Amino acid sequence: NAGVMQNPRHLVRRRGQEARLRCSPMKGHSHVYWYRQLPEEGLKFMVYLQKENIIDESGMPKERFSAEFPKEGPSILRIQQVVRGDSAAYFCASSPLQGGDEKLFFGSGTQLSVL
Amino acid sequence: KQEVTQIPAALSVPEGENLVLNCSFTDSAIYNLQWFRQDPGKGLTSLLLIQSSQREQTSGRLNASLDKSSGRSTLYIAASQPGDSATYLCAVALAGKSTFGDGTTLTVKP
Repeated sequence: NAGVMQNPRHLVRRRGQEARLRCSPMKGHSHVYWYRQLPEEGLKFMVYLQKENIIDESGMPKERFSAEFPKEGPSILRIQQVVRGDSAAYFCASSPLQGGDEKLFFGSGTQLSVL
Repeated sequence: KQEVTQIPAALSVPEGENLVLNCSFTDSAIYNLQWFRQDPGKGLTSLLLIQSSQREQTSGRLNASLDKSSGRSTLYIAASQPGDSATYLCAVALAGKSTFGDGTTLTVKP
């Protein structure tokens, strides 16, 4: 059973370009979470999705950031018109269900570097 | 707003020592508390998960406790080894959202 798969592992973008980060949850998991880890900082919650639904996006910046988890295919975190401050490690996690037994399984992350 | 604090921020011990990492949180309304390990440049590996109704969980040399009413958890590592060197993170979960502490960076010297 493959773990949470994120790609690419490293992504380099110039200011103003778009960044697309992909996350395939573990088999059987229907809940996906995105977290961001800025240099020398802890992990910060961004968004929680189920298939075709955004459940909680309270941690997402209001502009330029969007996330989706379609019926088929991976979850996508999209950052438009990237700026240097977007440089960070972006982690995806998945879990099998919501509630008291919500164990999170993390991917290896995507390191985004904005030049 | 939930806030999670981990003390100390860094810890260095000689191999073989037992040690305790601390985690405190401000809002006791949680589903569970999870301890993770993060190696440099890598993702997070789940170590232990404690449900809100539980007091402790054990796995091998690791033991985690939870006192929800006082907003505290500890991670006890017995007989530490150099391979235990990593950053240890605690996270509290509620309604699908986990709030993380900034971690304790542990160095175990041979």
